[in-house]
Amino acid sequence: DAGITQSPRHKVTETGTPVTLRCHQTENHRYMYWYRQDPGHGLRLIHYSYGVKDTDKGEVSDGYSVSRSKTEDFLLTLESATSSQTSVYFCAISKTGTRHYNEQFFGPGTRLTVL
Amino acid sequence: QQPVQSPQAVILREGEDAVINCSSSKALYSVHWYRQKHGEAPVFLMILLKGGEQKGHEKISASFNEKKQQSSLYLTASQLSYSGTYFCGTEETVGGGSQGNLIFGKGTKLSVKP
Repeated sequence: DAGITQSPRHKVTETGTPVTLRCHQTENHRYMYWYRQDPGHGLRLIHYSYGVKDTDKGEVSDGYSVSRSKTEDFLLTLESATSSQTSVYFCAISKTGTRHYNEQFFGPGTRLTVL
Repeated sequence: QQPVQSPQAVILREGEDAVINCSSSKALYSVHWYRQKHGEAPVFLMILLKGGEQKGHEKISASFNEKKQQSSLYLTASQLSYSGTYFCGTEETVGGGSQGNLIFGKGTKLSVKP
């Protein structure tokens, strides 16, 4: 158990509304990640963070922004949700001090439905 | 570049063996393996590093062919608890170092029947 929680766990929203998903960790790890998982695509990286206020884009970052003002929290925001953003969103952390050669631990996921 | 996993799905009886393959067109720094059960988060199984070092699971083994950029996950004497979807995640080499992030394959669904 890597002490990762995500909130909310389920959300239904309408097209055009802003949505923020929260990832919280209790162990002060440096690296945090946001992925989305869709049938037939596997896990795809949206954004990642390597410290407070240090973030970078992943492969599917369009339409998403992130913020990390505290080590323990990594927020993912959909500024104006679209139906194509209906997905399961996973947060992950790396327990070692670098991004390389280290396993990632995933939170329980947030199921987001955009109508 | 997303790695390619094969097969897409496999059905086994308890006690049978299975091999899941992962291949990339890019030079790889490491390969990670995860298992995900339905409705749950992916769980780390194993990491294979350049040079042959491995870290991971006691009852599951894997190989990493650096020349071919291929990895295989070996599940022996399968148990019902092995059922789930297996993902490989590859870390690509860039400029002699690591790109850093993982790129996941689409997954292999493994079903173990009694």
